[in-house]
Amino acid sequence: NAGVTQTPKFRVLKTGQSMTLLCAQDMNHEYMYWYRQDPGMGLRLIHYSVGEGTTAKGEVPDGYNVSRLKKQNFLLGLESAAPSQTSVYFCASSYRGGGGGELFFGEGSRLTVL
Amino acid sequence: GENVEQHPSTLSVQEGDSAVIKCTYSDSASNYFPWYKQELGKGPQLIIDIRSNVGEKKDQRIAVTLNKTAKHFSLHITETQPEDSAVYFCAASSGSGTYKYIFGTGTRLKVLA
Repeated sequence: NAGVTQTPKFRVLKTGQSMTLLCAQDMNHEYMYWYRQDPGMGLRLIHYSVGEGTTAKGEVPDGYNVSRLKKQNFLLGLESAAPSQTSVYFCASSYRGGGGGELFFGEGSRLTVL
Repeated sequence: GENVEQHPSTLSVQEGDSAVIKCTYSDSASNYFPWYKQELGKGPQLIIDIRSNVGEKKDQRIAVTLNKTAKHFSLHITETQPEDSAVYFCAASSGSGTYKYIFGTGTRLKVLA
């Protein structure tokens, strides 16, 4: 059972470079989320999607873009990476939205921006 | 804005002892409170949750209590074992028209053998 798969797992970028993180889920979930995890700050929501073709901003959306062209995939893009974007990124999906939908997380993508 | 405070940030207990982690939320509309466990190098995983119409819920060695008046909820782990060592996150969600979960900052629990 794959669940939620994130690629790549590790990446090192130079300031100003661009990259895309891919999240794929095989549970037919409507809702997908991108979080970043930083020491002492918990999990902060970057962007989320409530269905194919939809995206919305979370708590910390600046510097990121997302797309949900297919229901099973949620892409997170960094157009011009900055050192402040060094973090561990987690994708999650759920059958229901907030208020009762269990979040299923991927194993994370560790990004370092030099 | 919406906020969830979590304490303590680190907690060390002897194997067999109990551990308690506390969270306080600010949004009075919050009605769903899950707890996630994150093991080293992995994503968080749901371990227990509680809704606002329930005061306490138990699942074997873990339990969660909710005090709506005081806006706080707690995770209780009894008879701790080394495999309980992990980072624990609380979260709160209002559910009504929102798809967001507000997470606490996490508690690193160490169970000493």
